[in-house]
Amino acid sequence: EADIYQTPRYLVIGTGKKITLECSQTMGHDKMYWYQQDPGMELHLIHYSYGVNSTEKGDLSSESTVSRIRTEHFPLTLESARPSHTSQYLCASSDLRGRAFFGQGTRLTV
Amino acid sequence: QKEVEQDPGPLSVPEGAIVSLNCTYSNSAFQYFMWYRQYSRKGPELLMYTYSSGNKEDGRFTAQVDKSSKYISLFIRDSQPSDSATYLCAMSGGGSYIPTFGRGTSLIVHP
Repeated sequence: EADIYQTPRYLVIGTGKKITLECSQTMGHDKMYWYQQDPGMELHLIHYSYGVNSTEKGDLSSESTVSRIRTEHFPLTLESARPSHTSQYLCASSDLRGRAFFGQGTRLTV
Repeated sequence: QKEVEQDPGPLSVPEGAIVSLNCTYSNSAFQYFMWYRQYSRKGPELLMYTYSSGNKEDGRFTAQVDKSSKYISLFIRDSQPSDSATYLCAMSGGGSYIPTFGRGTSLIVHP
């Protein structure tokens, strides 16, 4: 079954640590996205990709970086985690018409 | 002004009520219109999807698009406590087809 997977679901980490949030999709979509969402708040787009070797920054400034070496894989990295990075991170991919499909999210606590 | 406006609520209704959720938008290039449901601490899930103007029905849910007014609606009939969630509208078009989301409306259906 085509799906989108995020790991880990929950992560508690100390200040200054480097972390990578994993996101993989089996839907064959070219476009992928990372959103940041605090509890009860709106989605904020932090990174997106049109395809392999394409990455763009989103509307919300973020200290994280992303890479897109394979179509199905879109990891997000924080070089030095800080308490201000505590949030939920949602990965998504979309089809040609813009229908987005989301993973279950990674809840990060620093 | 944001491209997509959505009242955050919360909207509180009794079980069995008809719920109306709405979004307005400013970009006339949008062609595809979506509604998502998001339960607490989960990722949004696609609920309804329509192209251009018109209505689409799926069980208790009806999505309505009025492109002339730049206004979309989601109606939920016979609402249930399990419908309590945040509902986000989204739309795409204009070349890139990157979805633009509303901020979501929190719905509470009380027994």
